[in-house]
Amino acid sequence: AQSVAQPEDQVNVAEGNPLTVKCTYSVSGNPYLFWYVQYPNRGLQFLLKYITGDNLVKGSYGFEAEFNKSQTSFHLKKPSALVSDSALYFCAVRDSVTGFQKLVFGTGTRLLVSP
Amino acid sequence: NAGVTQTPKFRVLKTGQSMTLLCAQDMNHEYMYWYRQDPGMGLRLIHYSVGEGTTAKGEVPDGYNVSRLKKQNFLLGLESAAPSQTSVYFCASTTGGIVSTEAFFGQGTRLTVV
Repeated sequence: AQSVAQPEDQVNVAEGNPLTVKCTYSVSGNPYLFWYVQYPNRGLQFLLKYITGDNLVKGSYGFEAEFNKSQTSFHLKKPSALVSDSALYFCAVRDSVTGFQKLVFGTGTRLLVSP
Repeated sequence: NAGVTQTPKFRVLKTGQSMTLLCAQDMNHEYMYWYRQDPGMGLRLIHYSVGEGTTAKGEVPDGYNVSRLKKQNFLLGLESAAPSQTSVYFCASTTGGIVSTEAFFGQGTRLTVV
């Protein structure tokens, strides 16, 4: 089965510094990868996805993600963090084993940006 | 721009009680989903629907039932609530498959079963 792993429960970064939220994947076939963000008391919001093409994917709110096939990673990055980026971030991968395409989510990483 | 609306937002149930969670979307989306979110486990798919009148089981369907009588509504039912069903429930919808299109999520329903 397809899966993703988010090795860090929490990431702390100071405002203005670059941030990285890590995600590794395990798939058979070509990986379809996603990042979603959950702000407090809100549902998940789509940030970006990788299907094919450039290894650097740009998304919403200044976020980008780098796909690395050799390291089976899809890390989320932002050059300069904002306090308002503090949220719960989920990596996800496509799973179509049952014939229905669904997303399998990681356990989430809490990002805390301090002023 | 309501998007996806879930009712209620909070609920406390006693073991054995029943309840229905309502999800309504105003984007004319074909696909709708119910997930549960538990600490350290991410989101897990309970049931989903690929169109009005259709439903199917996801990863963790036991103890839940669903109905999609109208395209805009997707109901999740708990017939006899158990403490293991204490969770935050999210509804989502997409125009097509969740891989090809962006998923829109509701704000969630926090359910506690005592």
